[in-house]
Amino acid sequence: QVQLQESGPGLLRPSETLSLTCTVSGGSVNSNSYYWNWIRQPPGEGLEWIGGVSYSRTTFYNPSLQSRVTISLDTSTNRFSLKVRSLTAADTAVYYCAREGDFWTGHRHLDHWGQGTLVTVSS
Amino acid sequence: DIVMTQSPDSLAVSLGERATITCKSSESVFYSAISKNYLGWYQQKPGQPPKVLIYWASTRESGVPDRFSGSGSGTDFTLTISSLQAEDVAVYFCQQYYSYPWTFGQGTKVEIK
Repeated sequence: QVQLQESGPGLLRPSETLSLTCTVSGGSVNSNSYYWNWIRQPPGEGLEWIGGVSYSRTTFYNPSLQSRVTISLDTSTNRFSLKVRSLTAADTAVYYCAREGDFWTGHRHLDHWGQGTLVTVSS
Repeated sequence: DIVMTQSPDSLAVSLGERATITCKSSESVFYSAISKNYLGWYQQKPGQPPKVLIYWASTRESGVPDRFSGSGSGTDFTLTISSLQAEDVAVYFCQQYYSYPWTFGQGTKVEIK
């Protein structure tokens, strides 16, 4: 059973850079069937897709965040990562990593999620 | 971006009664190559991540009770809980995965009346 787990700092200051890692177990980020995504949810609000990365390291970003975001894949550690630069209070949210289902069969829904990690941006 | 609009924002239903949530997309999410709608429904309970209930608009994920069903095509979709149970209290989101950026509805909170 695939499991995902986010890790990273919980409190950052405005203008700093957020770095989060998602560790995948029970499956390989190098599989040519799956894409790996980041989604965030401000407290009490809805879900916002940040972006994703394929097994071939092709990245896809939400245009609303693209100028500040980088997503990368590390096959040696079976992890993928998120960086968000120039943080403001509006970036305060629970950040989730999630697997997108089998690309080749059209199962592109988000079928496995991490538990999420709360990131607070405050001075 | 494809805008996803859910209604209602919240609803209260008696135990054992039917709950119906609608989701409308600003563009069609029907992928003709495989004749599937690229629309998913997720359930989120407090303090938990979302969990997929339905994909391709009407296919139940493995292990999801059959009281959950999805219908619709193109731009108009419905999630139905046929007989509400106490454990179904949650927020429900629709999501399109037809075109980037993936987008979600604003969520519908389901409570017990």
